[in-house]
Amino acid sequence: AQSVAQPEDQVNVAEGNPLTVKCTYSVSGNPYLFWYVQYPNRGLQFLLKYITGDNLVKGSYGFEAEFNKSQTSFHLKKPSALVSDSALYFCASGINNAGNMLTFGGGTRLMVKP
Amino acid sequence: DAGVIQSPRHEVTEMGQEVTLRCKPISGHNSLFWYRQTMMRGLELLIYFNNNVPIDDSGMPEDRFSAKMPNASFSTLKIQPSEPRDSAVYFCASSLLGDQPQHFGDGTRLSIL
Repeated sequence: AQSVAQPEDQVNVAEGNPLTVKCTYSVSGNPYLFWYVQYPNRGLQFLLKYITGDNLVKGSYGFEAEFNKSQTSFHLKKPSALVSDSALYFCASGINNAGNMLTFGGGTRLMVKP
Repeated sequence: DAGVIQSPRHEVTEMGQEVTLRCKPISGHNSLFWYRQTMMRGLELLIYFNNNVPIDDSGMPEDRFSAKMPNASFSTLKIQPSEPRDSAVYFCASSLLGDQPQHFGDGTRLSIL
């Protein structure tokens, strides 16, 4: 069975500072991993994905994530946070032969203060 | 490109009434997913379809919930009879098969009084 954990319900960061939103996964086999962002009253929006290859993945809006197989982690990062980055972030994992079904983490609320 | 389209965006109805939520996936996508989001339970997968065929409905809470996908461009999620605990935001998402991201609609906010 798959599981995805986002250990922090909320992350607070000052504008201009680097941010990290944590995600760990547990799957049997080789996972593919996603990050999504949700703004108020909107659906989840795809940010980036890791399938294979380079462990550092770059995505939309300056976000990037690092796949670490030994730590089973896929943390989301951004060098310099913007107030407009404040939103709910979801990590998700999928595996081959599971159709397109994804397992989502519980979400982390990112608050960027001016 | 038009994204995933859901209707209605908001629905308020009294308990016991039938509720039908609608979804038009992105053209060409062959997987469709229905999710429910609440503060208490987070994001839950209810059911998903591949090529219009239901693959996994283990997340459907009970027999009051049913979902259909009569063709590649339309799906419905029906609740009959509705109960106050069904109040939530319901999302539809679609994707291509394989390791492709899911694309979400903006949801239907359902309130059962």
